[in-house]
Amino acid sequence: DGGITQSPKYLFRKEGQNVTLSCEQNLNHDAMYWYRQDPGQGLRLIYYSQIVNDFQKGDIAEGYSVSREKKESFPLTVTSAQKNPTAFYLCASSTLGQLSSYEQYFGPGTRLTVT
Amino acid sequence: GEDVEQSLFLSVREGDSSVINCTYTDSSSTYLYWYKQEPGAGLQLLTYIFSNMDMKQDQRLTVLLNKKDKHLSLRIADTQTGDSAIYFCAESSTDSWGKLQFGAGTQVVVTP
Repeated sequence: DGGITQSPKYLFRKEGQNVTLSCEQNLNHDAMYWYRQDPGQGLRLIYYSQIVNDFQKGDIAEGYSVSREKKESFPLTVTSAQKNPTAFYLCASSTLGQLSSYEQYFGPGTRLTVT
Repeated sequence: GEDVEQSLFLSVREGDSSVINCTYTDSSSTYLYWYKQEPGAGLQLLTYIFSNMDMKQDQRLTVLLNKKDKHLSLRIADTQTGDSAIYFCAESSTDSWGKLQFGAGTQVVVTP
């Protein structure tokens, strides 16, 4: 079964700790994305990556970091510098290129609670 | 940046048709998408339409695109209680390099 997995589904951390959210895809997609969703709001782009070993900041990158060492994996670290980290985090992936219709496929999400 | 706007809430009776509307501002939009999100879950791609089309039908779903007015709609025929969810429209453009611009979502509540 092809798809995107995110783990864990729920994550609890104390303020001041860094935490890493996992995202893996077996769709052979080139691009991967991290979004943040707050209650009653739409999606805001944190980081995205179009190719291994390269990534770009989205609209709200401050306090977050990513890596893309493998095509299948795009972990997101929420650092202690992120002022308001409690949110629902969504990972997505898509194809790129001339024949792509760029539709993104999403994982099930990780709900992070920081107290 | 470019904007995608949706109404926030829609209430519909079971068995009726639902119409969810979306407007966008980017004149270079290439594809427009509809996603569904159930509580606590990720987004599920429902359908998408290329910007040179004006209609696409897929079972109970009909997408209408008015490119001149930059207006997109999603019609769900014979709405069921399982259709209760948040619906997001999104668009990509030629210079967005795969990034999508999402609306804030429309909460659809289906009542018996």
